[in-house]
Amino acid sequence: ETGVTQSPTHLIKTRGQQVTLRCSSQSGHNTVSWYQQALGQGPQFIFQYYREEENGRGNFPPRFSGLQFPNYSSELNVNALELDDSALYLCASSFSHGLSETQYFGPGTRLLVL
Amino acid sequence: TQLLEQSPQFLSIQEGENLTVYCNSSSVFSSLQWYRQEPGEGPVLLVTVVTGGEVKKLKRLTFQFGDARKDSSLHITAAQPGDTGLYLCAGARTNAGKSTFGDGTTLTVKP
Repeated sequence: ETGVTQSPTHLIKTRGQQVTLRCSSQSGHNTVSWYQQALGQGPQFIFQYYREEENGRGNFPPRFSGLQFPNYSSELNVNALELDDSALYLCASSFSHGLSETQYFGPGTRLLVL
Repeated sequence: TQLLEQSPQFLSIQEGENLTVYCNSSSVFSSLQWYRQEPGEGPVLLVTVVTGGEVKKLKRLTFQFGDARKDSSLHITAAQPGDTGLYLCAGARTNAGKSTFGDGTTLTVKP
């Protein structure tokens, strides 16, 4: 186990709804990154938060937004859900945001949009 | 366009066989990581390579980073059923912390 927890583990939503996914980072880590992993594909970078500020964003529309809290836990919010948003959402925490920092992944939240 | 191409996409072998999987790109990476992911879990880091030509060994796994830091390989000796899983490579290029992942190689080792 990496010490990174995510909730919920599974979620079913319908098109147009909004969803909030949560991640608790490993103790001592101040950086959280979020990834989307569609079935049969590798994780795609959504964005990263470092000390409560967004520190890099991948090629995802603005309806994907996030927050990081003072305790370094994080939320991923997705508005106006689309069928293609169905995927495994992974968060990864690291001690800092440098290139050489090891990322520790949580088990993910599996989202199904109907 | 996939920045990191992994091959083969699927590999099914018998216990005791050797195998090599590849991770190729036209881009240069500052570092490259290999992960193993099991169903229902997040990826687990196996190794990070940072120097062109670098070779790292982890028990029966041997990782190599290409001289030009554009490609990498993972060789498994005497594969075991416990090696079954999705093997992902990921490259880091900027200080934004973005890791670019390949789509992985799904390995099945039959007893």
